[in-house]
Amino acid sequence: KAGVTQTPRYLIKTRGQQVTLSCSPISGHRSVSWYQQTPGQGLQFLFEYFSETQRNKGNFPGRFSGRQFSNSRSEMNVSTLELGDSALYLCASSLGPSLDRTNTEAFFGQGTRLTVV
Amino acid sequence: GQQLNQSPQSMFIQEGEDVSMNCTSSSIFNTWLWYKQDPGEGPVLLIALYKAGELTSNGRLTAQFGITRKDSFLNISASIPSDVGIYFCAGPNSGTYKYIFGTGTRLKVLA
Repeated sequence: KAGVTQTPRYLIKTRGQQVTLSCSPISGHRSVSWYQQTPGQGLQFLFEYFSETQRNKGNFPGRFSGRQFSNSRSEMNVSTLELGDSALYLCASSLGPSLDRTNTEAFFGQGTRLTVV
Repeated sequence: GQQLNQSPQSMFIQEGEDVSMNCTSSSIFNTWLWYKQDPGEGPVLLIALYKAGELTSNGRLTAQFGITRKDSFLNISASIPSDVGIYFCAGPNSGTYKYIFGTGTRLKVLA
């Protein structure tokens, strides 16, 4: 069974640009969550999607957005990039939404390393 | 953002030694997950705990769900060099249902 696939693995962008990251969850998983990981802040929750609907959102500015497609694949977009957006962006998939106790195990992709210069 | 507190922050141990780390929260969790992350990679799920007091093993790893539901522990027995990495605890907060991750314990094993 294929794991969570994130593309691209590495990305370099300049300030002010926008970026779109992609995540394909494990087959059969309908929940996708996104996280930002930086040395200073650790793993921070961005948002969670289940059945194409955003179920939860972290404390990030509106420049960070996401969506989920009918095949459960998800994309996240960051507009007007800032230097501080440089981070490892991780996607995790699980069978159901995090509020379903029986389906809370989340499996991560390898991440997309975004560098903003 | 809200985080779980893990201790120790880092540890250097000799190969063959046992390791213990813990994770604490000010709020109750219904699920505790333990992950390991290698440099440049995503976290890999090691153990999942669903019930207060539950003790679960995965090879040389053993994790426990604290009775108060506000803490969890991970033990690694007879450490080997490939145990090197950052260990995170995580779980969905029972109030917000958002996944929260611990601050991580960085483990280094000296051969």
